[in-house]
Amino acid sequence: GIQVEQSPPDLILQEGANSTLRCNFSDSVNNLQWFHQNPWGQLINLFYIPSGTKQNGRLSATTVATERYSLLYISSSQTTDSGVYFCAVDFKGGSEKLVFGKGTKLTVNP
Amino acid sequence: EPEVTQTPSHQVTQMGQEVILRCVPISNHLYFYWYRQILGQKVEFLVSFYNNEISEKSEIFDDQFSVERPDGSNFTLKIRSTKLEDSAMYFCASSLGGTNEKLFFGSGTQLSVL
Repeated sequence: GIQVEQSPPDLILQEGANSTLRCNFSDSVNNLQWFHQNPWGQLINLFYIPSGTKQNGRLSATTVATERYSLLYISSSQTTDSGVYFCAVDFKGGSEKLVFGKGTKLTVNP
Repeated sequence: EPEVTQTPSHQVTQMGQEVILRCVPISNHLYFYWYRQILGQKVEFLVSFYNNEISEKSEIFDDQFSVERPDGSNFTLKIRSTKLEDSAMYFCASSLGGTNEKLFFGSGTQLSVL
């Protein structure tokens, strides 16, 4: 069946470090979105990125749709980056839903 | 920046009771969604709504669930007879152009069924 797999499941960093989060998906997609769930539970949309590369401040994302993966880069991490990062995919086939991965839990220590 | 708002932020109810979760999507958005997240698990799709009707629903969204857009601004999720396993964070989301555009999520309603 359709699957979205994220790695690593957990990541602990010191403030200032860089990190790369990965999302693999099992089938062709219409689009892919990255979300940050902060410690208060809010889901913040970081990127809408069906293909290519986008940058927003210290965050950037790249999706290679033909190889079925996406990467989220966090540079110079800050404690406020802590939380869970979800990749969510709209698979081709006419559905109107996003399928979420299980997330990467990021902890940034001061 | 416009945002999706949800009320209440927390709801505690007894098993078997009806609950209504409320959402005000972003005003010019046309597609509306409910998702839920059981504690510590991933976010799961429940239902999508467009042009005043359900466009897709998951197997979780059984006869106990219903959605409504009673006026031009509110979007509600009703659970008719709550079960213990309905305890979860329920998120409302909206989008201008469906899943082909960014989805914006509300802050969620934490539902606890006792």
